[in-house]
Amino acid sequence: GAGVSQTPSNKVTEKGKYVELRCDPISGHTALYWYRQSLGQGPEFLIYFQGTGAADDSGLPNDRFFAVRPEGSVSTLKIQRTERGDSAVYLCASSLGTSGSVREQFFGPGTRLTVL
Amino acid sequence: QQQVKQSPQSLIVQKGGISIINCAYENTAFDYFPWYQQFPGKGPALLIAIRPDVSEKKEGRFTISFNKSAKQFSLHIMDSQPGDSATYFCAATLRGGSEKLVFGKGTKLTVNP
Repeated sequence: GAGVSQTPSNKVTEKGKYVELRCDPISGHTALYWYRQSLGQGPEFLIYFQGTGAADDSGLPNDRFFAVRPEGSVSTLKIQRTERGDSAVYLCASSLGTSGSVREQFFGPGTRLTVL
Repeated sequence: QQQVKQSPQSLIVQKGGISIINCAYENTAFDYFPWYQQFPGKGPALLIAIRPDVSEKKEGRFTISFNKSAKQFSLHIMDSQPGDSATYFCAATLRGGSEKLVFGKGTKLTVNP
């Protein structure tokens, strides 16, 4: 079956602009995660959705970052007033859930964001 | 505060050799320890995972060794192949809640033919 897909694969924007990054999780996966991976670093957690609600947004760096998942499937990560320090690969992951043994998170290929 | 420390940062081995990557964690509440493999331009992919009630887990050429008292775990890749050349991340998570993954900084493995 199809894996996690993310669009666009690359996004170049100018400082101060607004961007939206999209994630299509694996069908049937109720849990969805966003991570940010800076060059030479491991992914860092941003936000977790269980269904439609953001159950844990403790990783969002500031209020310029926001994410939604209105129908419990596709999610959009929104970044306002982008800064050069936002440049990174934004990864989306999904899993069947957080109960029992269904803990594996499946990652998408990421969106490489470059803020000029 | 980095909660999972990974070493070495890079590793070069010859084909057929053993690759060993080490991780140490701080939070004793962590209860699930996966290893991810990442190729350039791709997202991380789960390689193997272990829970702290087990001291070792083997899947093919990949083995996790876990030392709960020392709060350390390691990945061993036996008979390393050039196709294993990738970046490897250890991670940890807590059962319950969001189960967000806390990653190490990664180890870039190069296996020379």
